[in-house]
Amino acid sequence: GENVEQHPSTLSVQEGDSAVIKCTYSDSASNYFPWYKQELGKGPQLIIDIRSNVGEKKDQRIAVTLNKTAKHFSLHITETQPEDSAVYFCAASKIGGSARQLTFGSGTQLTVLP
Amino acid sequence: DSGVTQTPKHLITATGQRVTLRCSPRSGDLSVYWYQQSLDQGLQFLIHYYNGEERAKGNILERFSAQQFPDLHSELNLSSLELGDSALYFCASSVEVDGRGYGYTFGSGTRLTVV
Repeated sequence: GENVEQHPSTLSVQEGDSAVIKCTYSDSASNYFPWYKQELGKGPQLIIDIRSNVGEKKDQRIAVTLNKTAKHFSLHITETQPEDSAVYFCAASKIGGSARQLTFGSGTQLTVLP
Repeated sequence: DSGVTQTPKHLITATGQRVTLRCSPRSGDLSVYWYQQSLDQGLQFLIHYYNGEERAKGNILERFSAQQFPDLHSELNLSSLELGDSALYFCASSVEVDGRGYGYTFGSGTRLTVV
């Protein structure tokens, strides 16, 4: 089955700096890669996603890049703010077919220091 | 509010007992996924239902079972509970377009504590 590894497990940055979280996946058939943000006491919330036919996607201060050859994808957050502090999860799955479940990385605790 | 409703929010029970967790998906979503989140295991996939039928199983113990009803709500049954079953249990639903599933919407979870 799919295996997703995520690094780093914790990340502290100064407000205004950029943060980068990296993930690798094992199944070359995976074609959908979402990122989730989980705040304390809440369920994970989808913040951005990318499909394998696209190399990069941006939404305001958040961007995701995908390298299919190397089987890795990254989340980039620019101009970080204290409200960006949360746990971030990457995930991978195959759109289509019967096995659509997401396989999640182990999470990154991001702390933005004021 | 994500549109996915999970009840109860908190549950404390003793070892050996049985509990039922409930999930109502977003309106129009036919798929329901159950995940277990513990400190050392991250988000682990348990089971997926689509329009009442089981589609896929993950690392779900035999003591655990689930079903999805005609109104599309789902229940996760956990029996013979052990201390190690203490965790957050999340339900997520997803939209299906032309047989293809996309990103999930998660509920706020049920925190189960087994004492």
